[in-house]
Amino acid sequence: EIVLTQSPGTLSLSPGERATLSCRASQSVSSSYLAWYQQKPGQAPRLLIYGASSRATGIPDRFSGSGSGTDFTLTISRLEPEDFAVYYCQQYGSSPRGLFTFGPGTKVDIK
Amino acid sequence: EVQLVQSGAEVKKPGESLKISCKGSGYSFTSYWIGWVRQMPGKGLEWMGIIYPGDSDTRYSPSFQGQVTISADKSISTAYLQWSSLKASDTAMYYCARRDTIEFDYWGQGTLVTVSS
Repeated sequence: EIVLTQSPGTLSLSPGERATLSCRASQSVSSSYLAWYQQKPGQAPRLLIYGASSRATGIPDRFSGSGSGTDFTLTISRLEPEDFAVYYCQQYGSSPRGLFTFGPGTKVDIK
Repeated sequence: EVQLVQSGAEVKKPGESLKISCKGSGYSFTSYWIGWVRQMPGKGLEWMGIIYPGDSDTRYSPSFQGQVTISADKSISTAYLQWSSLKASDTAMYYCARRDTIEFDYWGQGTLVTVSS
């Protein structure tokens, strides 16, 4: 079973700064099988990025995803006040039979 | 518009049974997998399992296999998550979500389950 590790646990930044979030897998993950979500307090998660680098519908272009193999990155180019939230990566493993895994999350808070 | 609407909050006692629901609309319910995700208080997201309403093919996370049952009634576009005997440790928010390729593109609003004596 693939384990996802996210770093840092908490990222303290100011609006306008660049945020770089890391997601590392214990085994190689197909880029097609890596997604990122944003969750704000009291809300359901929202899909940001799928296929490691494709933005979901309606997601601003300040959000970008990259990476391959075991190392993936979510970048927020210029933080807006509404971007302070928790971010999760998620992978799909076709073997064993169709398991999904979430990372532990990175909290981006206001410095 | 795609929507997943979950049933309301529940307060139960340990040992009681429970079935919560997730009703899909605005898309072909039988053509997309529906997953369930647990979020314990102050914690992260945990994938529990997934069902394909078209043929009821169901898969579970090893962590939740045998602990919960996932089902669906395609005639009313509704997926379910059920427990036969709740524990205090089942206290959490539970989300349903539609799976597109491998990502979960639409989410329900969540159902808060509180288990307390």
